[in-house]
Amino acid sequence: GAVVSQHPSRVICKSGTSVKIECRSLDFQATTMFWYRQFPKQSLMLMATSNEGSKATYEQGVEKDKFLINHASLTLSTLTVTSAHPEDSSFYICSASLQANTEAFFGQGTRLTVV
Amino acid sequence: GESVGLHLPTLSVQEGDNSIINCAYSNSASDYFIWYKQESGKGPQFIIDIRSNMDKRQGQRVTVLLNKTVKHLSLQIAATQPGDSAVYFCAENGDGNKLVFGAGTILRVKS
Repeated sequence: GAVVSQHPSRVICKSGTSVKIECRSLDFQATTMFWYRQFPKQSLMLMATSNEGSKATYEQGVEKDKFLINHASLTLSTLTVTSAHPEDSSFYICSASLQANTEAFFGQGTRLTVV
Repeated sequence: GESVGLHLPTLSVQEGDNSIINCAYSNSASDYFIWYKQESGKGPQFIIDIRSNMDKRQGQRVTVLLNKTVKHLSLQIAATQPGDSAVYFCAENGDGNKLVFGAGTILRVKS
C-alpha cells in the first residue's frame, strides 16, 4: 500500500512557541490530505482538509489562525500549531488517499506535548 | 455534526474465539465504509472496506457486514489472536471525501 510519513513522531515545546508537523506521501502524489486530532481514549476528529495549491478547509470550531496548514507540493502538507498552549497537547495524525472514496493511508502520528 | 458510533465499548475475548465489533453510522448518504485498527501511539491501519452496493466482504480472517436499513456495520475477526488487541474504528466517507470516524471499540484478547 501507499506510505504516508509524519515528522516528528514526538515533540515537546514550551507554551507560546510554534510547532510544525510535516506529512509526506512517499510513493504517490496527494492533492488532498487530511489532518486529525486525537485525545486519549477518544476517536479521531477531523480538523481540516489540506488542498494542494489552495487554502485549507477547516472543520467547524477549528481555529485557522491557530492551526496553519500549508500544502505547497503534491507530496507535502504541514500543520503548524501557533502559540501553543498545554490544551493543544494531543496526538495529531494526517492521512491521504490515492483517489477519492478509496482507502485513506495514515501517518504514524505526532505526539505533541506543550509544557 | 455527523457522527459514526457514539460509544467506546471494550470487548474482551479469549484467544482463538471469534470477535464481533459493531458500529452504527448516522449518514444514510454514505456509500463507502472502512474499518481501521489502531495500536497505542500509532496511526490507524487499514483492515477492510466495503461499498454500499455490497452487504458483505471478506478478507483474511476478517469479514465486514453492512446493513444499510439500520445503518449498521460490523467487523468479524476469526480466531482472534493476541496481536489483534487494539482499538478498532469504523469510518464512513462524508462530504468532500472526508472520513468520519466512530468512537472506537477496544479489543482485548486474553491468552
